[in-house]
Amino acid sequence: AQKITQTQPGMFVQEKEAVTLDCTYDTSDQSYGLFWYKQPSSGEMIFLIYQGSYDEQNATEGRYSLNFQKARKSANLVISASQLGDSAMYFCAMMNTGFQKLVFGTGTRLLVSP
Amino acid sequence: EAGVAQSPRYKIIEKRQSVAFWCNPISGHATLYWYQQILGQGPKLLIQFQNNGVVDDSQLPKDRFSAERLKGVDSTLKIQPAKLEDSAVYLCASSLGAGLDTQYFGPGTRLTVL
Repeated sequence: AQKITQTQPGMFVQEKEAVTLDCTYDTSDQSYGLFWYKQPSSGEMIFLIYQGSYDEQNATEGRYSLNFQKARKSANLVISASQLGDSAMYFCAMMNTGFQKLVFGTGTRLLVSP
Repeated sequence: EAGVAQSPRYKIIEKRQSVAFWCNPISGHATLYWYQQILGQGPKLLIQFQNNGVVDDSQLPKDRFSAERLKGVDSTLKIQPAKLEDSAVYLCASSLGAGLDTQYFGPGTRLTVL
């Protein structure tokens, strides 16, 4: 079985500051992938960043980076230099190569203030 | 490159009525997914197609939900008859292949059952 836990229902950050959104996962598989998606109020799920379980380096995509700590089973999303447009729901998700089903956490609502 | 298209964006129906949603995936994507996202939760997979064959429909309530993907391109999801608890956002996603390939989502259809 696989499970994603996002313990922060809401986070606040000021514009231009960095913010970390927490994600922990549970799986017995050795091969898996971790994903972060952004969901603005419009409803669309926007892919942000991916980390494979065998990737040695943390993934980065522009202002997004994934702090992957395999031993702790955590995959936190770091957003640098927050912008007002970053206000949205953020979902962490994982897929085992064996189970092949994308499982989502409950999400964290991020609010960026001027 | 055009993204995943869905229609309608919003639908309001009475309980026991029927409703259908349409999805056109990204061109060339072999795998298509339908998710249900209830308010305050992460998306939950309903059904997965690989080309025009069903890979996983274990969480599809088959007594009222049906889906098809004729010709391996666009897909329809139908609910008949609808219940109050079907009120949710229905998200369509597609990926190039299966497994750890990134899933790209459409804008979703927000269904309200009265």
